[in-house]
Amino acid sequence: EIVLTQSPATLSLSPGERATLSCRASQSVSIYLAWYQQKPGQAPRLLIYDASNTATGIPARFSGSGSGTDFTLTISSLEPEDFAVYYCQHRSNWPFTFGGGTKVEIK
Amino acid sequence: EVQLVESGGGLVQPGRSLRLSCAASGFTFDDYAMHWVRQAPGKGLEWVSGIGWNSGTIDYADSVKGRFTISRDNAKNSLYLQMHSLRPEDTAFYYCTKDTLPGRSSGGGMDVWGQGTTVTVSS
Repeated sequence: EIVLTQSPATLSLSPGERATLSCRASQSVSIYLAWYQQKPGQAPRLLIYDASNTATGIPARFSGSGSGTDFTLTISSLEPEDFAVYYCQHRSNWPFTFGGGTKVEIK
Repeated sequence: EVQLVESGGGLVQPGRSLRLSCAASGFTFDDYAMHWVRQAPGKGLEWVSGIGWNSGTIDYADSVKGRFTISRDNAKNSLYLQMHSLRPEDTAFYYCTKDTLPGRSSGGGMDVWGQGTTVTVSS
């Protein structure tokens, strides 16, 4: 089973700032990594798939990069609605494990 | 409108069984792999089980292997999760999800999620 480690656990930033979230895999997952956003009381929403492909309807301020074992989700300029928990998930081979999450909170 | 609607959750005693259902609409169900993902109260996401578009690929998280069985009925556009020998640690919100890419068992992501159903295992 592939283990995904997300860092930091919590990111305290102000609106307008750039957010950089990290996800590291215990072994190579090629480009097969997805990112999700979850707000309280809501189901997760797919942001990025295959490391850098933006899902339908996702604003351009969200971008993903990386391959192999190291991946990054970048939010170029935080909007008030972006404060949430973000999860990565590998999609290389089953089981499709999730990382522990990064909470982006208002500073 | 693409939609997933889960049902079947509830309060159950440890050791008992429960069957979750997920009704899909608005897309060609038999083109996509489907999954169950759960979230314990205040915790992160846990992938529970997945099934390929033609049921050719099936897998489970180690935490549920041997106790849970995933299945699908493409004629009824439905996904199921049969849960046996339930434990208190199975208490969670269970989501049904749809894969992004048709005909694939890897890559992509989960682009449609149901509203979820709550399973509580307690005596």
